[in-house]
Amino acid sequence: KAGVTQTPRYLIKTRGQQVTLSCSPISGHRSVSWYQQTPGQGLQFLFEYFSETQRNKGNFPGRFSGRQFSNSRSEMNVSTLELGDSALYLCASSLGGATYNEQFFGPGTRLTVL
Amino acid sequence: GENVEQHPSTLSVQEGDSAVIKCTYSDSASNYFPWYKQELGKGPQLIIDIRSNVGEKKDQRIAVTLNKTAKHFSLHITETQPEDSAVYFCGEAGTALIFGKGTTLSVSS
Repeated sequence: KAGVTQTPRYLIKTRGQQVTLSCSPISGHRSVSWYQQTPGQGLQFLFEYFSETQRNKGNFPGRFSGRQFSNSRSEMNVSTLELGDSALYLCASSLGGATYNEQFFGPGTRLTVL
Repeated sequence: GENVEQHPSTLSVQEGDSAVIKCTYSDSASNYFPWYKQELGKGPQLIIDIRSNVGEKKDQRIAVTLNKTAKHFSLHITETQPEDSAVYFCGEAGTALIFGKGTTLSVSS
């Protein structure tokens, strides 16, 4: 069974630009969550999508948005990039449902904002 | 809101020693507590999890204990090996699955 894939793996952007990251979950998984990882801050929760609907959202500004398609693939978008947005962005997929279960993480997209 | 604190941020042990990482949480409705291990250049991977109706769970050299009254849970690794060196994250699931800031474990031989 293929794991969670994220594209691109590396990205360099400049301040003010916008970026779109993609995540393909494990086949059969309906939930996709996104996290931002920076040194010293750990894994900060961005949002979770389940069956094309945003189910939960973390404390990030509106510049961070996402969506999920009918095949469960998900994208996240960051507009008006700031230097502080430089981070590893991880997505994780799980079966979903009413109770939490194991989340499978992808390798991440390393975003550098210059 | 939900918040999980993890301690220590770094931990160095000798091979064969035990390692303990502790987390506290604030949301009394949380009912799922996973632990993830992240090796360099990879995404985090689940190593053990526990639900709120269980006080302890073991899997070979790793164990997790949960004290719902005190709102804290701990990861115990016995007989540590160099390959246990990694960053460990505790998680708490209430309305969303959130993580602590991580513990960098170094096991020296």
